[in-house]
Amino acid sequence: QSVLTQPPSVSGAPGQRVTLSCTGSSSNIGAGYDVHWYQQLPGTAPKLLIFDNTRRPSGVPDRFSASNSGTSASLVITGLQAEDEGDYYCQSSDSSLNGGVFGTGTKVTVL
Amino acid sequence: EVHLVESGGGVVRPGGSLRLSCAPSGFTFDDYGMSWVRQAPGKGLEWVADINWNGGRTGHSDSVKGRFTISRDNVKNSLYLQMNNLRAEDTAFYYCARGGNTRRPTYSDYWGRGTLVTVSS
Repeated sequence: QSVLTQPPSVSGAPGQRVTLSCTGSSSNIGAGYDVHWYQQLPGTAPKLLIFDNTRRPSGVPDRFSASNSGTSASLVITGLQAEDEGDYYCQSSDSSLNGGVFGTGTKVTVL
Repeated sequence: EVHLVESGGGVVRPGGSLRLSCAPSGFTFDDYGMSWVRQAPGKGLEWVADINWNGGRTGHSDSVKGRFTISRDNVKNSLYLQMNNLRAEDTAFYYCARGGNTRRPTYSDYWGRGTLVTVSS
């Protein structure tokens, strides 16, 4: 059972803005550990979308942005596109664990 | 271009062993920490183990500690995951992933396509 909780699903129409949440606690996000986000399209390996809370790897569109607040983090997709449909995971570290932890994952559906 | 290719997956009986390998290319292997992440069919991602650039620092999840061991050979340019005493709940796709620097990874910027491990009698 993950210590980072994400809503199971989020949906939106093409062009809309959607926000994905990642809720942690004082031992992970709240402790100041960095948050990273991954996109996993159907049948493919995960792809790094955001690292170190807000940074985008080269090639990731600026439609994807992220922020942290307290014990939670958020990923925002603006101008939702059909190709964005897939699963999204947050990742951080936790002082009670010996390594990384992934969120439970959110399935994004484009209506 | 960075590539990571996993191998060694297959079907194994409970209690058995497997050794996964990851062959990197397109970058200087010993400049980066590495990780193994698994995903049971239809489920989410789970961190399994990671290692820093020279193998001096490693970490394993509680679910595999004492059974799995991550290692690397920078001369052979390879990452390994030795899996012993396998259980049905270890059935998953196992991904090899590169960290962002020499340290134990906090995130992974490149991933392999995964290798499937099935533990079944």
